[in-house]
Amino acid sequence: EAGVAQSPRYKIIEKRQSVAFWCNPISGHATLYWYQQILGQGPKLLIQFQNNGVVDDSQLPKDRFSAERLKGVDSTLKIQPAKLEDSAVYLCASSLSRTVSYEQYFGPGTRLTVT
Amino acid sequence: DQQVKQNSPSLSVQEGRISILNCDYTNSMFDYFLWYKKYPAEGPTFLISISSIKDKNEDGRFTVFLNKSAKHLSLHIVPSQPGDSAVYFCAASRSISYNTDKLIFGTGTRLQVFP
Repeated sequence: EAGVAQSPRYKIIEKRQSVAFWCNPISGHATLYWYQQILGQGPKLLIQFQNNGVVDDSQLPKDRFSAERLKGVDSTLKIQPAKLEDSAVYLCASSLSRTVSYEQYFGPGTRLTVT
Repeated sequence: DQQVKQNSPSLSVQEGRISILNCDYTNSMFDYFLWYKKYPAEGPTFLISISSIKDKNEDGRFTVFLNKSAKHLSLHIVPSQPGDSAVYFCAASRSISYNTDKLIFGTGTRLQVFP
């Protein structure tokens, strides 16, 4: 079974530029999550989708971050414009269902450096 | 507001001995707890979980203990192996009370198992 795919793996941009990350979840997984992991901290949930609908985006900085999951499969996360404090690893995860007992499977992440 | 705390950033254990990783939480509404393991350049992978109705859950070499009165949980690895060297994250959820799968992660503990 293929895991969660993310691209790119690494990205370096200057502040005020824009960037987009892509995630392809495990086939059949209805729930998709985007996490931000700043160095020295644990992952923090940014947004959660159930199929193509948003379940939770309470911690998404909506003035600069946006995410979509068209057709309920792939998802993209965009930052525009980027700030220095956005430097982090962006993790995508998916699970079969919105029940905590269902394991969340994580992708390898995209390491973003904003200079 | 760090609701899930892992106060030991690192731990070094000899191969064959017991590794004990600790986690404290502040929100008494948390009712489901998980441990994730993370290798460099990979996403976290699920290790073991425990519901608040239990005080112990065991899976092979891994055992998680929950002390609700102290708001404390620990992960025991016996015997420790070099392949266990990774960063371990504790996570908590209010799954039963609030029907949510949102995870709150701790900051992680880096375990090193040496020969």
